[in-house]
Amino acid sequence: GEDVEQSLFLSVREGDSSVINCTYTDSSSTYLYWYKQEPGAGLQLLTYIFSNMDMKQDQRLTVLLNKKDKHLSLRIADTQTGDSAIYFCAATRRTALIFGKGTTLSVSS
Amino acid sequence: DAGVTQSPTHLIKTRGQQVTLRCSPISGHKSVSWYQQVLGQGPQFIFQYYEKEERGRGNFPDRFSARQFPNYSSELNVNALLLGDSALYLCASTLSTETSGNTIYFGEGSWLTVV
Repeated sequence: GEDVEQSLFLSVREGDSSVINCTYTDSSSTYLYWYKQEPGAGLQLLTYIFSNMDMKQDQRLTVLLNKKDKHLSLRIADTQTGDSAIYFCAATRRTALIFGKGTTLSVSS
Repeated sequence: DAGVTQSPTHLIKTRGQQVTLRCSPISGHKSVSWYQQVLGQGPQFIFQYYEKEERGRGNFPDRFSARQFPNYSSELNVNALLLGDSALYLCASTLSTETSGNTIYFGEGSWLTVV
């Protein structure tokens, strides 16, 4: 399987919460990142979490980490149409970031 | 403060040609990494440079090379271009070589089309 896996699509209504899930295989990954990519643009760093933490909250974003299961999630509260984008999960491996294929979030009004 | 800047933003090359892409990291950042993002996929790690030395290399052929200059800017070179090299090339900047514990910022990328 892939080193980092994500579901490909998520569709939500404006105002609802969105939860994007990610699994990774490398137990030595010490940091896990979430990036947002809008069409035709580069990657915007949203947040990251250290592997000895269970949760990190930053305004509308909440990251949950289950290190035992190597499962990471990103919750976006009160999702807005401007949150529509591709979201990438990435895990550290030595000097590199290993990315998933991205989850396309579609927000309808 | 300027973020990570990359040039050119878009370019078209023909098969067999060579291309050079440029990146300037965030002021104070000493490490630059390069990633390739093919349409519909996540970015793939190509190189990391720190203090002008290669500190990491991904699974890419020798046609890909890079270097870092004393001012910490970097160039990525790709020789003998193939159609499959068409992609968005992203540059990332961090304070040090270790990805752990550092925020990693990406530029807007250089879109390369090979025809």
